[in-house]
Amino acid sequence: DAKTTQPTSMDCAEGRAANLPCNHSTISGNEYVYWYRQIHSQGPQYIIHGLKNNETNEMASLIITEDRKSSTLILPHATLRDTAVYYCIVRVANYGQNFVFGPGTRLSVLP
Amino acid sequence: NAGVMQNPRHLVRRRGQEARLRCSPMKGHSHVYWYRQLPEEGLKFMVYLQKENIIDESGMPKERFSAEFPKEGPSILRIQQVVRGDSAAYFCASSPPSAGGNTGELFFGEGSRLTVL
Repeated sequence: DAKTTQPTSMDCAEGRAANLPCNHSTISGNEYVYWYRQIHSQGPQYIIHGLKNNETNEMASLIITEDRKSSTLILPHATLRDTAVYYCIVRVANYGQNFVFGPGTRLSVLP
Repeated sequence: NAGVMQNPRHLVRRRGQEARLRCSPMKGHSHVYWYRQLPEEGLKFMVYLQKENIIDESGMPKERFSAEFPKEGPSILRIQQVVRGDSAAYFCASSPPSAGGNTGELFFGEGSRLTVL
């Protein structure tokens, strides 16, 4: 079972920041937070991951609360092409565990 | 650097036939994962393999499904005697070796879509 909870769906206006929350209150100290997205039946796309520090890359920023029980993925300037299902996953960064995908958040970027 | 390559992208089979789906991981990646996505549903883990070894097959149906990742060549997901309920998108993902500070992110292919008539 997924260890995260996310809103089922969200809307965002084109050009505005999209803030996608994720709760992971039972996260362990050695578990990372990963974000993926799936654009309409394409293969899931890796976005970003982090352990406890905030992270930023060319796609997004990841803000993790100090207690690590929740995080927020930020798409700073959403475009129509960012419409997708966004998955938040927690996982130990070793190789013996698969990624468990929950239902995710369906983000609709509106013109 | 080519991404994860899956073929065929689309496969049509009649009930009772066999389906073989192939996955070539990214260069330098030695871990392969297979996921299944039924229409309008989420991604479900099936199996995790390293070269010549099945590490975790807890998501594989007990019958008709098998997977391998030989020393040479792609990983193969094999479905024998397909039924209509096997119609789905099958995604393969790969990740690099655990050494060197890699933190295990998966890189997915575009999937193979199986339709069983």
